[in-house]
Amino acid sequence: SQELEQSPQSLIVQEGKNLTINCTSSKTLYGLYWYKQKYGEGLIFLMMLQKGGEEKSHEKITAKLDEKKQQSSLHITASQPSHAGIYLCGADMEYGNKLVFGAGTILRVKS
Amino acid sequence: DVKVTQSSRYLVKRTGEKVFLECVQDMDHENMFWYRQDPGLGLRLIYFSYDVKMKEKGDIPEGYSVSREKKERFSLILESASTNQTSMYLCASSLWELAGGPGEQYFGPGTRLTVT
Repeated sequence: SQELEQSPQSLIVQEGKNLTINCTSSKTLYGLYWYKQKYGEGLIFLMMLQKGGEEKSHEKITAKLDEKKQQSSLHITASQPSHAGIYLCGADMEYGNKLVFGAGTILRVKS
Repeated sequence: DVKVTQSSRYLVKRTGEKVFLECVQDMDHENMFWYRQDPGLGLRLIYFSYDVKMKEKGDIPEGYSVSREKKERFSLILESASTNQTSMYLCASSLWELAGGPGEQYFGPGTRLTVT
């Protein structure tokens, strides 16, 4: 969706390196959901952020929502081949029960 | 665990055929969604439903219809398949949130449809 921009579109990193994926909106985000997708499969929920400045972590993945609630970042520390896949952000922009999704970031991790 | 299942992982149909994609969830969720996913475009919402027999158009409903006769089942129908409907189709479900907002969506494994 043009309402939600993800960057970069794709990323290749060496195993062990850190990386960051960004999700930016021109509107206030009332909730921001991060999902991971293995190629050809469904989406797996990673985490959800709602409050400005909120930060959550799961294993080596940390997500933050900025104070203005218009940008979120997903940071992976010491990447592993198991982190490879497509990362998508989905936003609650107060359209009722709908989420608006970004175009996704393709992550490849080289061993 | 929430389980969302889709009737087929891969499907090949001919132009002009009527195509049914089925989605079933086992967690008594009120909301169900159909998306299509294309490279560079992300997920685009086709239709969603927040109750039995209720449906609302998403961003790209043209060429599609839906049916929700039972709470657990949400069907996507391509009335006359065309090659530009070749895509990955994903179904999702979520609880209706009393406080409003979409809540976490649980996704099925997807159906890769090819129309020739």
